[in-house]
Amino acid sequence: DAGITQSPRHKVTETGTPVTLRCHQTENHRYMYWYRQDPGHGLRLIHYSYGVKDTDKGEVSDGYSVSRSKTEDFLLTLESATSSQTSVYFCAISSGIFSYEQYFGPGTRLTVT
Amino acid sequence: GQQLNQSPQSMFIQEGEDVSMNCTSSSIFNTWLWYKQDPGEGPVLLIALYKAGELTSNGRLTAQFGITRKDSFLNISASIPSDVGIYFCAGQLMIRGQGSGNTGKLIFGQGTTLQVKP
Repeated sequence: DAGITQSPRHKVTETGTPVTLRCHQTENHRYMYWYRQDPGHGLRLIHYSYGVKDTDKGEVSDGYSVSRSKTEDFLLTLESATSSQTSVYFCAISSGIFSYEQYFGPGTRLTVT
Repeated sequence: GQQLNQSPQSMFIQEGEDVSMNCTSSSIFNTWLWYKQDPGEGPVLLIALYKAGELTSNGRLTAQFGITRKDSFLNISASIPSDVGIYFCAGQLMIRGQGSGNTGKLIFGQGTTLQVKP
């Protein structure tokens, strides 16, 4: 199994509160990604990183920000959580060296009430 | 945005039967990946395809990269109860003129839910 952990695994929060999800990898991979998974929508890319301090937006980035200060950690922040951000969030990593295979973490289930 | 059309959306089959699912797009891809997701867990990579026409097997699973680069197929032979789950295809777009600056971003199909009756 790829060395990817996500924390917390479950979180319930109230509308308007800030939330930060953490993805930690032990593989020293260059690329890291945040996805959300919702019924009927599959996996949708929120933000991704192609190196320390190098990030870019995905297809559903509104309301989310990210930071990557170390190779091993990629943080996803909801500045002011809304009910529409209730979802399961997955982190993925990829070495990006002649291979774009992505390996996923176990996920974080976030409920915004 | 770009889309992958994955079908069927769901399948309910008898143990021992073979299963086929596919993904199609109007866009050209240079990589196709197939994942399986069990309830409450993250997707797990099953097979990766990198060349048009490529046929790759992983145990009872066989996947093919379509010759047009716009589609891919996954077959499961002699299904067993532990095959139950959601199967996703994912593709990386071929972008003209892009050299080494590829970001590795993938587009995912909406998934095929497989149920197997013992």
